[in-house]
Amino acid sequence: NAGVMQNPRHLVRRRGQEARLRCSPMKGHSHVYWYRQLPEEGLKFMVYLQKENIIDESGMPKERFSAEFPKEGPSILRIQQVVRGDSAAYFCASSPPSEGSNTEAFFGQGTRLTVV
Amino acid sequence: AQSVSQHNHHVILSEAASLELGCNYSYGGTVNLFWYVQYPGQHLQLLLKYFSGDPLVKGIKGFEAEFIKSKFSFNLRKPSVQWSDTAEYFCAVNALNFGNEKLTFGTGTRLTIIP
Repeated sequence: NAGVMQNPRHLVRRRGQEARLRCSPMKGHSHVYWYRQLPEEGLKFMVYLQKENIIDESGMPKERFSAEFPKEGPSILRIQQVVRGDSAAYFCASSPPSEGSNTEAFFGQGTRLTVV
Repeated sequence: AQSVSQHNHHVILSEAASLELGCNYSYGGTVNLFWYVQYPGQHLQLLLKYFSGDPLVKGIKGFEAEFIKSKFSFNLRKPSVQWSDTAEYFCAVNALNFGNEKLTFGTGTRLTIIP
């Protein structure tokens, strides 16, 4: 069972370009979470998605950032018109469906975005 | 909203020394608690978790943590560290009342073990 797969591992974009980060959850997992890790900081929650639904986007910047998790295919975190401050490591985590909250999230290796 | 504090930003120890990393959280309700480790260039791996029951939980690689509800703490311990424990350690909380498994992380503690 492959783990959470994120690609690309490293992404370099010029200011103003778009960045698309992909996350394939573990097999059988229908919940996806995106986190951002800025230099010298901990991970900050961005968005929680289930298939075709955004459940909680309280951590997403209001502009330029969007996320989706379609019925088929990976989850995508999209950053439009990137700025230098978007440079960070972006981690995806997935968890299986559950009735309660006693589940564990598994993390991918992250995508390191550098805006030049 | 919940928050997590890790007071030790960078800890340096010699091999075989004992380790304790502090973690405090602020949230009045029921929580799940986690410690993750991030080795250089790698993804986060779960060290241990507390959901309920015995407040002393044992994880992988000889790590353990104790949940003290009255102190809102979940400190990580290891009696004798190894050079391979050099990594960044993150404490995280999931507040059950929010209804999803999103985690609130501390800022992390960088652990350096000197051979």
